[in-house]
Amino acid sequence: DGGITQSPKYLFRKEGQNVTLSCEQNLNHDAMYWYRQDPGQGLRLIYYSQIVNDFQKGDIAEGYSVSREKKESFPLTVTSAQKNPTAFYLCASRNTGTESYGYTFGSGTRLTVV
Amino acid sequence: AQSVTQLGSHVSVSEGALVLLRCNYSSSVPPYLFWYVQYPNQGLQLLLKYTSAATLVKGINGFEAEFKKSETSFHLTKPSAHMSDAAEYFCAVSGVSGGYNKLIFGAGTRLAVHP
Repeated sequence: DGGITQSPKYLFRKEGQNVTLSCEQNLNHDAMYWYRQDPGQGLRLIYYSQIVNDFQKGDIAEGYSVSREKKESFPLTVTSAQKNPTAFYLCASRNTGTESYGYTFGSGTRLTVV
Repeated sequence: AQSVTQLGSHVSVSEGALVLLRCNYSSSVPPYLFWYVQYPNQGLQLLLKYTSAATLVKGINGFEAEFKKSETSFHLTKPSAHMSDAAEYFCAVSGVSGGYNKLIFGAGTRLAVHP
């Protein structure tokens, strides 16, 4: 079955450490997105990518970086510059053929600073 | 620019009661509208979407939503709540930002169902 796989499900980061969250999709979708979710704040867009080797900053990109070397993969790195990284991170993808397509979401990664 | 407002961050209903979650949108073009559900520690799952065909849209788990252009609303309803409906619900509109098309989400409504 096609879908989006996020790993790991739980991740612990020490102060000053960079960590990378994985997002892989086998839906042949062109666009991929990273969201951060904090209690009571809904979904905030971090980065998005419409095609391979191209990506754009979202609303809260500071302290994060991404790459899009393959259509299937869109990893997110949480750098030491992100001062409050504890949150639930969601990856999504979308077929860009028409605006009527919604997103398909992964099951999320919960990142905790220890 | 497109936007979505969900009225009520928390809604509580009794099991068997009507569920009504409110969503109002702003869009300068005919919108595509979506409702998603999120269970604890999981991703978002598409409940239903409006794509300019029928104004009453039926989704999974007995939910439906009605597109009302005059009220710029897309409220989500279910005739009889079940305990398993307890979750967070997000309304979204398809919009253009920064030259790219993406979904713009509301802040979410947490639904509690009590016996």
